[in-house]
Amino acid sequence: GAVVSQHPSWVICKSGTSVKIECRSLDFQATTMFWYRQFPKQSLMLMATSNEGSKATYEQGVEKDKFLINHASLTLSTLTVTSAHPEDSSFYICSARDRVSGELFFGEGSRLTVL
Amino acid sequence: GNSVTQMEGPVTLSEEAFLTINCTYTATGYPSLFWYVQYPGEGLQLLLKATKADDKGSNKGFEATYRKETTSFHLEKGSVQVSDSAVYFCALQLGSNYKLTFGKGTLLTVNP
Repeated sequence: GAVVSQHPSWVICKSGTSVKIECRSLDFQATTMFWYRQFPKQSLMLMATSNEGSKATYEQGVEKDKFLINHASLTLSTLTVTSAHPEDSSFYICSARDRVSGELFFGEGSRLTVL
Repeated sequence: GNSVTQMEGPVTLSEEAFLTINCTYTATGYPSLFWYVQYPGEGLQLLLKATKADDKGSNKGFEATYRKETTSFHLEKGSVQVSDSAVYFCALQLGSNYKLTFGKGTLLTVNP
């Protein structure tokens, strides 16, 4: 089946630095990608919808200046956590919608730890 | 708002036991319902889905029936295997924007 790859799968950074997470659709094109955040023992919370060639749509309560999303091509969306702090430590998951079939595929997730 | 409540885990079963993971939802409209599975080290995969009342989704021996009257979509399997050990997420989708609302996930461990 189609594969969505996230990179890095885990990252540790110092407080105040910025971290970029990539989400790639490997064998299909995705006009829409979604970014989720998952806390331990909690459900996946949708952060934003990433649309190729246009600005992302953020969910209520998500700071767009804190979580920068770029979807510059049909196979790549990036999430940049700016000036990261320990409370940003979480598991970030992306999903991508196949523009042809409409199916939704998920990445393996990226675990961010901010020291 | 929309929400999904699913059975808290973890659930531990012996091989060939019967599995039920409860899922109920609250939605402002008429949602589509999904079960996703996440195997260790992998991304979420769609297990099954149902788009209207009384629909039964099924895959790999798992089944779930869309019950509008009880707003439920319980996941069942008659005989689990060790390879079914994973985290299971119930989710709903309203409208055509493909946004999903997830439950908290239920960790299933099947012992030989």
